[in-house]
Amino acid sequence: GQQLNQSPQSMFIQEGEDVSMNCTSSSIFNTWLWYKQDPGEGPVLLIALYKAGELTSNGRLTAQFGITRKDSFLNISASIPSDVGIYFCAALLGGSQGNLIFGKGTKLSVKP
Amino acid sequence: KAGVTQTPRYLIKTRGQQVTLSCSPISGHRSVSWYQQTPGQGLQFLFEYFSETQRNKGNFPGRFSGRQFSNSRSEMNVSTLELGDSALYLCASSWPVAGGSTDTQYFGPGTRLTVL
Repeated sequence: GQQLNQSPQSMFIQEGEDVSMNCTSSSIFNTWLWYKQDPGEGPVLLIALYKAGELTSNGRLTAQFGITRKDSFLNISASIPSDVGIYFCAALLGGSQGNLIFGKGTKLSVKP
Repeated sequence: KAGVTQTPRYLIKTRGQQVTLSCSPISGHRSVSWYQQTPGQGLQFLFEYFSETQRNKGNFPGRFSGRQFSNSRSEMNVSTLELGDSALYLCASSWPVAGGSTDTQYFGPGTRLTVL
């Protein structure tokens, strides 16, 4: 079945650093979404992408929908402590299928 | 606009019992999807309801069921609970776009189910 390969699995950030993560698949999707989840909470939508090649920003976050429709990346610029958490990519099949497929997540932690 | 609400937030049950979880979508949203989140398997799709009809279903056993009411509120039920059903159950609502596909999904805080 469809699968999203998200990397890296985890990373440490220092305040002010830029962060990049990506998601790839062997399948084609019509929509890519990026979520952030804090402990004990549900995922919160950060950015939604609907067109191949689309580049969308939300504050310090920028995400792109790959031209092949099989991948997406998320960048966080000038990271701050509240950026820690788990980031998930998700992709939506078109047609009548309304389910999201999720990556395994990228855990962002602060460098000790 | 109020977000997606889920009740209860926490639940402890024993093996063999059944449980019902509730989800109220964002006002105006007509599609409700349910997901199970575990450390090992991550987020997995259970089912989606639209206009009181199950439109899509994931790969879960028949012990997992759901329904949607005319006001778009949804419930999911798990019968004969097993230890492996311990998880965070998330509900997401969306406004379905033309053509039947589901638009961007917004998640509730989840119900943390522990099966002892």
